[in-house]
This record gives sequence, structure tokens and C-alpha cells, in this order.
Amino acid sequence: AQSVTQPDIHITVSEGASLELRCNYSYGATPYLFWYVQSPGQGLQLLLKYFSGDTLVQGIKGFEAEFKRSQSSFNLRKPSVHWSDAAEYFCAVGASNTGKLIFGQGTTLQVKP
Amino acid sequence: EAGVAQSPRYKIIEKRQSVAFWCNPISGHATLYWYQQILGQGPKLLIQFQNNGVVDDSQLPKDRFSAERLKGVDSTLKIQPAKLEDSAVYLCASSLMTGRTEAFFGQGTRLTVV
Repeated sequence: AQSVTQPDIHITVSEGASLELRCNYSYGATPYLFWYVQSPGQGLQLLLKYFSGDTLVQGIKGFEAEFKRSQSSFNLRKPSVHWSDAAEYFCAVGASNTGKLIFGQGTTLQVKP
Repeated sequence: EAGVAQSPRYKIIEKRQSVAFWCNPISGHATLYWYQQILGQGPKLLIQFQNNGVVDDSQLPKDRFSAERLKGVDSTLKIQPAKLEDSAVYLCASSLMTGRTEAFFGQGTRLTVV
């Protein structure tokens, strides 16, 4: 069955520190992978996506993610976190035939001053 | 370019009442999705349209939920009668086509059933 697991429900980091959010997926075919961010009361904003090619993908707001097929992972990273990055982050896998997104349960990021 | 528009932003109803949500996708986007996001969870697909046809409604509780996209543009999602467990954010998204493409989300409608 297709699924996405985000092992960390809540993460707290200090402003300026580095960040890594974990994502593991289960998908039978070539996965299309996404990271979305959701601020309180807002919809989902796409941070970055992986369809094929270079396994290190760059996104908006200084985020990047690395696709590791052998580990079934697509972890999100940022070298220096800003207070405005506090939000909920969702990893998702997209079905290649329909585009349906299967989301993880999300990771809430808190940033300490 | 205008984004995905949804209304209302918030709705409070009593259980057993009915409610409807409206979505206008990005112009030219053939595919439209309705997702349900329960507090503390990731969004879950309820129904997907390609133009005015249904691609996937396997997770839609059809005894109480219905959705339509009559002219292949905007869409309405209805719940009748509502239950307490329907309290959630209902997100509409659209994409240019099905398959290998990214979806753009609206701000959502937060429904509270009391």
C-alpha cells in the first residue's frame, strides 16, 4: 500500500540552526515526491518537488531535499532556520497516473529565538 | 495569476444540518481535487475530477458527501447530514492535468460541526 511516514511529529530548533525533517515513503512505482508547508489558517504551499533526474532538489525559501531510493526517503533540509519558518510541513507522494497526493501526518516546526 | 479560490473560509453548523463549499480552480486547470484535513493529520483525498468527470471518489463517504463540477470549471462539495466527525478543513486543489504534475491549493474552508 502507498504510504508516507513522517517520524517526527514536533521539532524545535533555535533560529540560525540547521534543520532536517524526515520523510519515508512506500510506493510501488517511481515516486513523485513533494514537500508542502502550511502556516496557521492557510492552505498548502509547495516548497519543492522531485519528479526525476538530480536527486538533490532545490526549493523556495532556501529549502532542499534529497531523494534516496535505497532508503525510500526524501528528507527536507535547511542550513539556517528563520523564525518565519515555523509552520507545519507535509511530505507527500504523488500517484503517477492520477496525480493523487498521499500525505504524511506532518511535522510541526517550532523556532526558538 | 489568480490562485485557487474557496468559500466560505469558516463555517459552523449543527450536526444533521447541511453545508456546501465552493471552489474555483486556477484558470485552465483541468484537474480539481477536494481533500479533507482533520486536525493533526495530513490531508486525505475525497474526490478528484478531470474536467467534469470523476477520476477517483473511493474515499468519499457517498451516503452523506456529494460533489459536482458541472461545467468543468468550479466545483461544489456538499455534506448532508453533517456529523461531528466531519469537523475538518476542506481543501480544494487544482492542477494543469492528471499524473506527473504539481497541485496548487486554496486556503481551505474550516468546518466545525457542533
